[in-house]
Amino acid sequence: NAGVTQTPKFQVLKTGQSMTLQCAQDMNHNSMYWYRQDPGMGLRLIYYSASEGTTDKGEVPNGYNVSRLNKREFSLRLESAAPSQTSVYFCASSARQGAEQFFGPGTRLTVL
Amino acid sequence: AQSVTQPDIHITVSEGASLELRCNYSYGATPYLFWYVQSPGQGLQLLLKYFSGDTLVQGIKGFEAEFKRSQSSFNLRKPSVHWSDAAEYFCAVGAPDSNYQLIWGAGTKLIIKP
Repeated sequence: NAGVTQTPKFQVLKTGQSMTLQCAQDMNHNSMYWYRQDPGMGLRLIYYSASEGTTDKGEVPNGYNVSRLNKREFSLRLESAAPSQTSVYFCASSARQGAEQFFGPGTRLTVL
Repeated sequence: AQSVTQPDIHITVSEGASLELRCNYSYGATPYLFWYVQSPGQGLQLLLKYFSGDTLVQGIKGFEAEFKRSQSSFNLRKPSVHWSDAAEYFCAVGAPDSNYQLIWGAGTKLIIKP
């Protein structure tokens, strides 16, 4: 039982490059989330998907796009990376909104 | 706007000593409350949660937390810490009028003295 998986684990980009972070869960959860974690700031919600077929902006959506590909998968895309997007990105899922969230191991992204 | 405050950025305790990590929130009604733990380089793991009912909740790894409505607090406690408890601890709050999106505290880093 893998839970929530994320790829890649590490990534270095140059300013202006694009990339997609992948997330998948095998718990049959309805809701999925993307967060970024910066030192001293806790976690900030980028986008979430309350259920398959829906996505909504969180606290810090600028510079990002998401796709809920199916019930299992929720990807995060950076179209034109900026140094301010250097962070650790976590994907999470929950059975429904308000239930406890289960987290992936994270992707450490550096933008030069 | 809702907010979550963890007043202590770092806490140092001796192994075997008791622990209390503070969490205060700003919200009008009773929200959903969570404590998560993050070991270095790892994702977050749920320690315990409060939705309703008994205000003292038990979690994994010997942790407990008490919801105090009058103080808008949800403090995490452990009677005797172990070196393996060294980690960062996050309090999070979810409210029905924000679709239960979690608002996170900035975290408290727990350091264990041998």
